[in-house]
Amino acid sequence: ETGVTQTPRHLVMGMTNKKSLKCEQHLGHNAMYWYKQSAKKPLELMFVYSLEERVENNSVPSRFSPECPNSSHLFLHLHTLQPEDSALYLCASSQGQGNTEAFFGQGTRLTVV
Amino acid sequence: GQSLEQPSEVTAVEGAIVQINCTYQTSGFYGLSWYQQHDGGAPTFLSYNALDGLEETGRFSSFLSRSDSYGYLLLQELQMKDSASYFCALDPSGGYNKLIFGAGTRLAVHP
Repeated sequence: ETGVTQTPRHLVMGMTNKKSLKCEQHLGHNAMYWYKQSAKKPLELMFVYSLEERVENNSVPSRFSPECPNSSHLFLHLHTLQPEDSALYLCASSQGQGNTEAFFGQGTRLTVV
Repeated sequence: GQSLEQPSEVTAVEGAIVQINCTYQTSGFYGLSWYQQHDGGAPTFLSYNALDGLEETGRFSSFLSRSDSYGYLLLQELQMKDSASYFCALDPSGGYNKLIFGAGTRLAVHP
């Protein structure tokens, strides 16, 4: 596989559930990102990891918990979500500081019921 | 804070030229990027302007004027496959792609 792969592509979960989103990049990049894309709103940066260390946390509620076990994998652990958290969650990677291009996965369409 | 404004929708015909504008407010940034996203697809990088002026990549060109807080994406020889959403994004950090995105412009190309 090449590029940035996200699983699952679609997820429906109840407000009391716990689930995880997975992202894997096969590009040899050292930075990974989570973005949230809601209908008719700009993509919102949630978290940034560089060399497996979190370098950005954009005031995201604690019900979203990221994990970066190595430079190729990124997870977003979800628990006790709200219906307004329903959105497309996009993972991206890049070569890190000074690089101008981010490579996005196709996203996980999350619906919270 | 930082914000970007783009038109929500643009319509054009095949073979035409269309310009998608982006105005922004920011206290400082390193560059302006453009991304394309087809329905159900991943955003894909189109171009990046670090300096004022025009950057050309095939049928697509991007322009930046820092003094006017303004940029645009120019698409020439439009094709049906260009129907997509186009996002401008500010890079405030000089890397790590901590991008601040506009809400996107939906381009519809008609025969």
